[in-house]
Order: sequence, then structure tokens, then C-alpha cells
Amino acid sequence: GAVVSQHPSWVICKSGTSVKIECRSLDFQATTMFWYRQFPKQSLMLMATSNEGSKATYEQGVEKDKFLINHASLTLSTLTVTSAHPEDSSFYICSAPRRLAGDDTQYFGPGTRLTVL
Amino acid sequence: AQSVTQPDIHITVSEGASLELRCNYSYGATPYLFWYVQSPGQGLQLLLKYFSGDTLVQGIKGFEAEFKRSQSSFNLRKPSVHWSDAAEYFCAVGTGTASKLTFGTGTRLQVTL
Repeated sequence: GAVVSQHPSWVICKSGTSVKIECRSLDFQATTMFWYRQFPKQSLMLMATSNEGSKATYEQGVEKDKFLINHASLTLSTLTVTSAHPEDSSFYICSAPRRLAGDDTQYFGPGTRLTVL
Repeated sequence: AQSVTQPDIHITVSEGASLELRCNYSYGATPYLFWYVQSPGQGLQLLLKYFSGDTLVQGIKGFEAEFKRSQSSFNLRKPSVHWSDAAEYFCAVGTGTASKLTFGTGTRLQVTL
């Protein structure tokens, strides 16, 4: 079946540094990918829609200069958390819709746990 | 704006017992509704989805859900729970089958032996 991977699965960084998270669709192409954030014991909140070849669309309240999204190819989207701070510590999850005639399905990555010290 | 409410934060059932997880949505148009399960270390897995047709939807792992427009609900059910069903369950609503989703707060299911 279709698979979406994320790398790294977990990362610890110092405050002030930047961290890049990759989201890949392994066996299908995705012109759109979605980035979500999940706080402990809470729901997933949509951060942005990543669009291949164009700028990402950010949800209200999400700082686009802090959470940089690049969708450089049909199988890869990256989320860079710039100048990370402890409040950015969270679980980041991407998803990619696979569009087939008569059966569009969205696949989620396993998530990346970010801890900022 | 669309929203999803899962009233039960945590539910405990005995193995073999029936299960119903509640989900209420708010959406102006015809909703696309989903149930996902999240296990530790794994990505969200789609259990089932509804957007049209028969309001009783069958999913994987023996789960089913019923869409009730009059109640704005999409409750998830399973007649006999297995210990391996212990996980976090999320109800979600979207504008299409591959659109961005609005998730509920989730229900953590604990299964006792």
C-alpha cells in the first residue's frame, strides 16, 4: 500500500537552532501535502498546506517565517522550524493524498517528535 | 468553519465487549467524515470514511460507523473489542476525500482483559 515516510522520527535540538523535517511519499506523487502539529494528549492541528512548485498556504496563527515549508518535488516536502524554542516542542505529522480515479485516499506519516532544549 | 467534537476523552472497555465512540461535527455542506486510529510509534491509519451513499459504513478491523445527518453525528462502533484495539481514535471532517482535515480531540481507548 501507499506509504508516507518522515525523517527524522525524533530530534532533540538546542534553543535557537533550526531543524528540518522531511516528508516523502514513497510510491506515489503528491502535488499537495499537509503538515499538522500535535501536542501531547491533544488533537492534530493543521499548520499548512504544502504545494509543489508554489508557496505553502498557512493556517491562521501559524508563523510562516518560523515554519518554512518547501515542496520541491512531487514526492518530498520539508518543514524547517527556524530558531526553535522550547514551545516549538511537539509532534509534527505530515500527510499526502494519493489521487486515483474513484479512490482518493490520504496517507499519514509516522510523525517526528521535536524536543527543543 | 468546520469543527469536530469527541465528547469522550478516555474510554475503558473489557475485551469482547461492544464499543461505541462518539463524534459530532459541524459543517455547512455535505461533510466528508473519517475515523483514524493512532497507535504509539505509528502513523494515523484510516479505519473508514463516509461522503455519500449508505449511511452505515464498514471499515477495517471490524469497525463500522453510522452517519446521522439529523444528529450531526458519525459514531464509530465495534461489536467485540480486542486488546489490540487499544489506541487513540480520531474523528475528522474534510471537504473532500483527500483534503485537509479538521480533527476532533481524540478518544483514548483502553481495553481490559
